[in-house]
Amino acid sequence: EIVLTQSPDTLSLSPGERATLSCRASQSVGKSLAWYQQKPGQAPRLLIYDASTRAAGIPARFSGSGSGTDFTLTVSSLESDDFAVYYCQQRRNWPLTFGGGTKVEIK
Amino acid sequence: EVQLLESGGALVQPGGSLRLSCVASGFTFSNNDMRWVRQAPGKGLEWVAAIHRGGNDRYYADSVQGRFTISRDNSKNTLYLQMNNLRVEDTALYYCVRVIDGSPSGMDVWGRGTTVTVSS
Repeated sequence: EIVLTQSPDTLSLSPGERATLSCRASQSVGKSLAWYQQKPGQAPRLLIYDASTRAAGIPARFSGSGSGTDFTLTVSSLESDDFAVYYCQQRRNWPLTFGGGTKVEIK
Repeated sequence: EVQLLESGGALVQPGGSLRLSCVASGFTFSNNDMRWVRQAPGKGLEWVAAIHRGGNDRYYADSVQGRFTISRDNSKNTLYLQMNNLRVEDTALYYCVRVIDGSPSGMDVWGRGTTVTVSS
């Protein structure tokens, strides 16, 4: 099983700041990695797939990068709507696995 | 509007069974692979099961292998999850999820979820 480790657990930032979230895989997943945003009481929302492709309707301030074992989700300038929990997920191999999540909170 | 609507969640005793359903609308259901993902209260996301668009290939998390069965009826635009021998640790919100066209890595449409509670 491929283990995804997200860091940090919590990121405390102010609106307008840049957020950089990390996801590290225990073995290579190529570019088969996605990022999701989840707000309390809501289903997750797909942000990025194939490591760097923005999903439909996702603002350009969200970007993904990386390949192999190291991936990054960047939010260039945080808006109030962006404070949430973010998960990475791989589907290079079965079982499909998720990271433990990074909470982005208002500082 | 593209939509997934789950149903079938309930309170059930350990060892019991449930069948979850997910009705898809607003897209050609038979064109997409589908999955179930769950989230225990206050916890992260856990993939449960997956099925190919044609229904031939199915995959399961180790935690549910042999107890859960995923299936689909493309004529009814419906995805199912048969859950047998339920355990307390199966308690979660279960999401029905569509796999994005052309890539296995992304799940682009999520239902609101249906709650399964396993307790005596």
